[in-house]
Amino acid sequence: QKEVEQNSGPLSVPEGAIASLNCTYSDRGSQSFFWYRQYSGKSPELIMSIYSNGDKEDGRFTAQLNKASQYVSLLIRDSQPSDSATYLCAVKSGGSNYKLTFGKGTLLTVNP
Amino acid sequence: GAVVSQHPSWVICKSGTSVKIECRSLDFQATTMFWYRQFPKQSLMLMATSNEGSKATYEQGVEKDKFLINHASLTLSTLTVTSAHPEDSSFYICSAYPAGVYQPQHFGDGTRLSIL
Repeated sequence: QKEVEQNSGPLSVPEGAIASLNCTYSDRGSQSFFWYRQYSGKSPELIMSIYSNGDKEDGRFTAQLNKASQYVSLLIRDSQPSDSATYLCAVKSGGSNYKLTFGKGTLLTVNP
Repeated sequence: GAVVSQHPSWVICKSGTSVKIECRSLDFQATTMFWYRQFPKQSLMLMATSNEGSKATYEQGVEKDKFLINHASLTLSTLTVTSAHPEDSSFYICSAYPAGVYQPQHFGDGTRLSIL
């Protein structure tokens, strides 16, 4: 059974701090990794994707992937209250239909 | 790019009614679309995989006769909740992705279904 694990939180950080979100996955055949942000009552919104080992930066967001350790992380620099949401880690394996396996999400609260 | 449109955004109806939800990929073709359900404060739950031109694949525990899926074109999938009851009240979300294993899934805005 393919699994994606995240700390459910809540993770609370002060405004301007770095928020660090972590995710591990069980399927070594996983090929694509995504971070989605979901505000309460809304659908998920893609914020980062990463496919190879190392770091990928996009504005205040940095995704990190370590396939050997089966570990994905998301760093949010200069956290803002508007970043308060649930962050979903999602992993796509090969095979037919390319279903995503989601973690349960980490609730992030950024305090002004 | 990669916009997914979902309609309606909100439905309130009486018990026993059937409700159809549409999911469209606006700027790409989607051979495969996905339907999810999410109850308050719970995780996304994949209900089924919708395949253009063929039958949908349902996840374990999802009643295929209750949740009818039709994927008649490369840009449209529909989910029909038949004879809906209050326990079917939930947030239903579709997703689709452009072709390619490295492409992310893009989600529609979701449909909030309330059965009275």
